[in-house]
Amino acid sequence: AQKVTQAQTEISVVEKEDVTLDCVYETRDTTYYLFWYKQPPSGELVFLIRRNSFDEQNEISGRYSWNFQKSTSSFNFTITASQVVDSAVYFCALSERYNQGGKLIFGQGTELSVKP
Amino acid sequence: SAVISQKPSRDICQRGTSLTIQCQVDSQVTMMFWYRQQPGQSLTLIATANQGSEATYESGFVIDKFPISRPNLTFSTLTVSNMSPEDSSIYLCSVEAGGWTSTDTQYFGPGTRLTVL
Repeated sequence: AQKVTQAQTEISVVEKEDVTLDCVYETRDTTYYLFWYKQPPSGELVFLIRRNSFDEQNEISGRYSWNFQKSTSSFNFTITASQVVDSAVYFCALSERYNQGGKLIFGQGTELSVKP
Repeated sequence: SAVISQKPSRDICQRGTSLTIQCQVDSQVTMMFWYRQQPGQSLTLIATANQGSEATYESGFVIDKFPISRPNLTFSTLTVSNMSPEDSSIYLCSVEAGGWTSTDTQYFGPGTRLTVL
């Protein structure tokens, strides 16, 4: 069965520290997508990145980077030089394209607190 | 991406009543989704709504409790019926951007915060 695990419930860092949010997934599909979303205190869910199962290249976008490793079924998210505005709940999600019709399976979320 | 709006943004309701939440998208989309986020929890899919067909509900969610309409390609409603305090949650709609050609990325509306007393 499909499952997403974010073992870190809460993380607290001081501004300018680097922080990595872990995500481990389970799926029997060979075609799937992985996502990261950010939910700031205002509540809206903001899309950050999508990765498909055939593309294991790591990606960097500004201070954000993502490490996708199929061998360990992990899709970790690193924020470099964290800022107070990064404080939010971050969700990792899985979509099994052909078996689930686009349904997103979310992890439990990691609440990141960046202190000044 | 798509611009998605939801109404109402929040509401406080009495138990036993019903609330209809609207979701409007600025472009035509094939698939719309409704999720529930209970306090301090993750998101759980309630149902998938495709225009012109009945909504598909996930295990644990039934049409009598959460009737959904999808009258056209830019609009959907979710009704939370006969509410109880356990229904207090954020309800979010999402769409796969790209219209007829799915991009496989879901974008979310701002959510409706529902409190049931």
